[in-house]
Amino acid sequence: SQQGEEDPQALSIQEGENATMNCSYKTSINNLQWYRQNSGRGLVHLILIRSNEREKHSGRLRVTLDTSKKSSSLLITASRAADTASYFCATPPFSGSARQLTFGSGTQLTVLP
Amino acid sequence: NAGVTQTPKFRVLKTGQSMTLLCAQDMNHEYMYWYRQDPGMGLRLIHYSVGEGTTAKGEVPDGYNVSRLKKQNFLLGLESAAPSQTSVYFCATAWTANTGELFFGEGSRLTVL
Repeated sequence: SQQGEEDPQALSIQEGENATMNCSYKTSINNLQWYRQNSGRGLVHLILIRSNEREKHSGRLRVTLDTSKKSSSLLITASRAADTASYFCATPPFSGSARQLTFGSGTQLTVLP
Repeated sequence: NAGVTQTPKFRVLKTGQSMTLLCAQDMNHEYMYWYRQDPGMGLRLIHYSVGEGTTAKGEVPDGYNVSRLKKQNFLLGLESAAPSQTSVYFCATAWTANTGELFFGEGSRLTVL
């Protein structure tokens, strides 16, 4: 069963625009992670936000977490063609461990030059 | 450092054949995982290991077996391959159980005819 679900499933924007993708989850968590997957490659960890954090930044990435709504968003500012990839949120349940880390279906982001 | 290495990268099997996927890591991580990725399904956990000599079932374990005889290696076996096992398989490792990021291999694409 999928804990996190990303929205939208696909997003196409022009280079230089901002890209926002959302993740909703079902049960309480102690952290939420975002990963990127380039076509034909493995997933790469982008950022982790803990349940007691509301916002976190890393370079052009901004992640927010709203535990009351069980949702998170990933914002990529000033997008580049190299940002074209699938983006996944991943969550372990509050009482679980990394062995129960579950992934959503992902958002396919296309950045047009 | 190679990180997480999966072999083979590609394999074509006939229904009923057996094979083993090897995941090797050089990061001294305790936790290792096998996921499968299918279109529109995200990643689903097959089996995992919390240390040398231990294995446990994930979300979709049927038709697969695993072994972790050495800390650095995690093997995924298919005893009698079925077309439903056509997928891309990813190995991942983690240093900590609950809050750590996962490090992924590049994937193994398996086709069962």
